[in-house]
Amino acid sequence: DGGITQSPKYLFRKEGQNVTLSCEQNLNHDAMYWYRQDPGQGLRLIYYSQIVNDFQKGDIAEGYSVSREKKESFPLTVTSAQKNPTAFYLCASSIASSGPSYNEQFFGPGTRLTVL
Amino acid sequence: AQKVTQAQTEISVVEKEDVTLDCVYETRDTTYYLFWYKQPPSGELVFLIRRNSFDEQNEISGRYSWNFQKSTSSFNFTITASQVVDSAVYFCALLMTTDSWGKLQFGAGTQVVVTP
Repeated sequence: DGGITQSPKYLFRKEGQNVTLSCEQNLNHDAMYWYRQDPGQGLRLIYYSQIVNDFQKGDIAEGYSVSREKKESFPLTVTSAQKNPTAFYLCASSIASSGPSYNEQFFGPGTRLTVL
Repeated sequence: AQKVTQAQTEISVVEKEDVTLDCVYETRDTTYYLFWYKQPPSGELVFLIRRNSFDEQNEISGRYSWNFQKSTSSFNFTITASQVVDSAVYFCALLMTTDSWGKLQFGAGTQVVVTP
């Protein structure tokens, strides 16, 4: 079945540690996105990528890093520089050729990160 | 600046009642897209509808219907004859075409609780 997978579902991290969240899609989508969701709030964009080996910062990129070495994969690293990393992280993808993507984004099941 | 406002934090209804979720948006763009997503307790966002700014025709899909009023910058969502499975958080989102890329602006979400 086509879809987006995120792992792990739950992740616990000690302060000062970097952690990497996985996101894989087999939808053959060009564009991929990372969002952060805090309780009672909407989603905020961290990073996005429209093509392999290219990505742009979203609205809250500080303390995060990404890579896009393969079309189907867009891992997110939460670094120790992120001051309040406890949140729910959602990965998404969409069809895009070039320029703005007007198509709906499809979301993965999310990873809940807790800093101990 | 652009933003999406979902003024209702939580709506509780009894099964079979209708429920309307409000969404008001702000943008200076003449061309833009509006979306509704559903987030069940599992956490994954499910795409419901996309509407572009030039199409003000209301849409009905089963028990779901959407009312787009450009004059009042609103894109409201109604669930008719609600069911327990409709319990979820619903997000309205805005995408502007003048943005350099497909950055969705999400509202804070409305929690819908349907009780038997």
